[in-house]
Amino acid sequence: QLLLQESGPGLIKPSETLSLTCSVSGDSISNSRRYYTWIRQPPGKGLEWIGNVFDGGHTSYKPSLKSRLTISLDTSGNRFSLKLTSVTAADTAVYYCVRTAAWEVAEFLSWGQGILVTVSS
Amino acid sequence: NFMLTQPHSVSASPGKTVTISCTRSTGSITYRHVQWYQFRPGSSPTTVIYADNRRPSGVPDRFSGSIDSSSNSASLTISGLTTDDEADYYCQSYGATVVFGGGTKVTVL
Repeated sequence: QLLLQESGPGLIKPSETLSLTCSVSGDSISNSRRYYTWIRQPPGKGLEWIGNVFDGGHTSYKPSLKSRLTISLDTSGNRFSLKLTSVTAADTAVYYCVRTAAWEVAEFLSWGQGILVTVSS
Repeated sequence: NFMLTQPHSVSASPGKTVTISCTRSTGSITYRHVQWYQFRPGSSPTTVIYADNRRPSGVPDRFSGSIDSSSNSASLTISGLTTDDEADYYCQSYGATVVFGGGTKVTVL
């Protein structure tokens, strides 16, 4: 059974760098032909796609976040990660790691449980 | 980019059927596949429909998806409602970027 599990800080200060990891178990991320994606949901608001990394390492980011965002794969650890620099209160959200269907950039099939990240001093 | 509009809430009694619509504002609903996600408090989100009408393994056949070109909308139908179906449901598609609907709260009376 495929499982995705987010880990990282629950509280981070403004201007700091947010680092989240998604550990994948039950399948290898190598040569999977899938997109490993981060989606977030601010409290009381809608879902927001923020970016992805394909199993070959190619990345795609939401344009408004591109200057602050890095998503990468760690095939040896079977996990992928997100780094978001210079965070503000607007980055407060539940962050989900998600895997797509094979070859499909935006058909999200498997979700982590989500991690609430609060940006506050 | 386009928008996906969903009703804010729907409700029905156990055993009944509900249908949630998802209307695309511009461009054809058939241009890209539509997915549906279930968000229940305390649980990981679950994909109930992908590629318009396909069910992932483990999702009961009480969940079905359809596309209506005439209304430029997608629909999620849940039959035989149970209390476990009480959740928020989001439709999603993509074009230049990924677009989510605003979500529909399903209440089982």
